[in-house]
Amino acid sequence: GNSVTQMEGPVTLSEEAFLTINCTYTATGYPSLFWYVQYPGEGLQLLLKATKADDKGSNKGFEATYRKETTSFHLEKGSVQVSDSAVYFCALIRDSGYSTLTFGKGTMLLVSP
Amino acid sequence: DAGVIQSPRHEVTEMGQEVTLRCKPISGHDYLFWYRQTMMRGLELLIYFNNNVPIDDSGMPEDRFSAKMPNASFSTLKIQPSEPRDSAVYFCASSLGGKGNIQYFGAGTRLSVL
Repeated sequence: GNSVTQMEGPVTLSEEAFLTINCTYTATGYPSLFWYVQYPGEGLQLLLKATKADDKGSNKGFEATYRKETTSFHLEKGSVQVSDSAVYFCALIRDSGYSTLTFGKGTMLLVSP
Repeated sequence: DAGVIQSPRHEVTEMGQEVTLRCKPISGHDYLFWYRQTMMRGLELLIYFNNNVPIDDSGMPEDRFSAKMPNASFSTLKIQPSEPRDSAVYFCASSLGGKGNIQYFGAGTRLSVL
């Protein structure tokens, strides 16, 4: 079946540090890949997505590249801000028929001034 | 657009009581999802609907849980009787159908069963 594995948190960084949150997946075919973000007290919201191999999703300074050869979709940001403190979820949806999102367990990011 | 609206935001109840969570999806969306989030298990899909019809309820933990969608603009998730292990944040999400569609989440209902 489909599965998503994320690095465990919390990830603790100082403002302006470089961020990487690792995500790897298991799925047949060519799933679409997503990063969702959950700010404190809120629901999840889409951060970025990629639908085919070598695609790069980007938004708000965050980037992730769909790597089919390593089945990975790592999230990166060059310079984090305190306002980026949140929980980040990697997710996939398979490419055949309709299916629901499969989420990773989430990685908490804490950014200090 | 107001987004997905859930009520109540917080619910505290005693074991054995009935709990009803409510969701209003984004107008025009044809898929609706109910999720449960806990520290131990993360985010779990409980059930989803397409055009008001339940499609997959395999994630519903027990017969104590039931969900309905009487029309395109309203859904409920009911727990009867509630137990302390049901304490969690429950999210509703909606999407406009198709593969790779984006799900829009509500702010969630934090349920505490004492």
